[in-house]
Formats: sequence, C-alpha cells, structure tokens
Amino acid sequence: DAKTTQPTSMDCAEGRAANLPCNHSTISGNEYVYWYRQIHSQGPQYIIHGLKNNETNEMASLIITEDRKSSTLILPHATLRDTAVYYCILHTGTASKLTFGTGTRLQVTL
Amino acid sequence: DTAVSQTPKYLVTQMGNDKSIKCEQNLGHDTMYWYKQDSKKFLKIMFSYNNKELIINETVPNRFSPKSPDKAHLNLHINSLELGDSAVYFCASRTLTGGAFFGQGTRLTVV
Repeated sequence: DAKTTQPTSMDCAEGRAANLPCNHSTISGNEYVYWYRQIHSQGPQYIIHGLKNNETNEMASLIITEDRKSSTLILPHATLRDTAVYYCILHTGTASKLTFGTGTRLQVTL
Repeated sequence: DTAVSQTPKYLVTQMGNDKSIKCEQNLGHDTMYWYKQDSKKFLKIMFSYNNKELIINETVPNRFSPKSPDKAHLNLHINSLELGDSAVYFCASRTLTGGAFFGQGTRLTVV
C-alpha cells in the first residue's frame, strides 16, 4: 500500500471546523483513502473513506483532490471529544493489512 | 451489542507463562486482524485472516499463534511470554470494501 504524509499535530478551537490534510502522491488507481481516529486508550475508530468523489457522513466530510494526490478530512464543528490521533490510510478492497503511520494529533481547545 | 469484543481487557502475567486473548465479532465480516500497539503508540499489524484462513503473518515470533475456529472468532495464543510482549493488542474486523471495526483492546503486562 502507498504511503501517506500527515502533519504531526494540529490545534483547533471548539466549535470551529478542523481540516486535517493528508498527502498521498503515489496513490494507485485502485486505492481508497480511509480515515480513522484513536481517542486516548480506545481502539481505532473508522471515520470515512472514499475513492475519488467527496464523501460525507454523520461524523465528517472527506475531500479528495481531482488528481487524488491529497485529501482533507473535515470535522465541521469540532468538540473536545474529537481530540484524538487521526490516521489517513490507503487501502485496496482486499484482505490485506491496514498500515497505520504516525497520524496527526488533533487537540481541540476551549 | 458490541461489534468487536475482546477478552480479557487487562492481563497481567509473569514471564514464561502462556496466555490467550479472545476476539469475537458479530458484524458478519470476512476479514479479521490482530494489531499490537507498543508504548510509543505505534499500531503494527500482526496477523490477518480471511474466512478463517491466514492471509498475513507479519514476521511475528512463532510464540504467537492465532486461531480462527470460525469466521466470527480470531483468538491469539502467546507462549513463553517475554517482557517485550507488554503492549495493547487490538482485534479488528472488516468487509473487503468497508471500514475496519476495532475492539477495545487488551492491555497485556508481563512482569
């Protein structure tokens, strides 16, 4: 699976939108972009995924650039409970592994 | 109902002992995983199973032996536990095209 690059950490004020970027310039045509987060001491939590179209669900929105070389996860109204490490992962639709990098530590503050 | 459940949640044991961690998912997923998260919080794949068959073994010592009696269960048995095995172990399951669902983790401490 291709590699992703994310900022090490970000801060966001509560109530504001949190925009988390991810670069994946070597993405293959059959690789989806997945986002997970891990809140302290809990198991990773699936957020959203997409192939090339923008996606939205009850948790977040995923914006993928037209060339698919980067994406942004948007939490529209961040709360303190969104403080977590966010992982951007590329994966094909197979039984192969999900490879977690170091992710972005998002700190939501009052 | 918990989607992916692991037991036990905490496990403290002495070096040299043998222990097992159980994982069950009620989501009907075909693929299950074991991950290890060390003290530096890095999540590393250990094993992947698809329909009870081993797909991935990421150069894990053979003291670790996964067993999948059926599609809904993936257990992890560890022989001759070492201090370096102390970590949080996560089980996960997914469909081939969907997101993975993780258990709450088993915190293993070897003393």
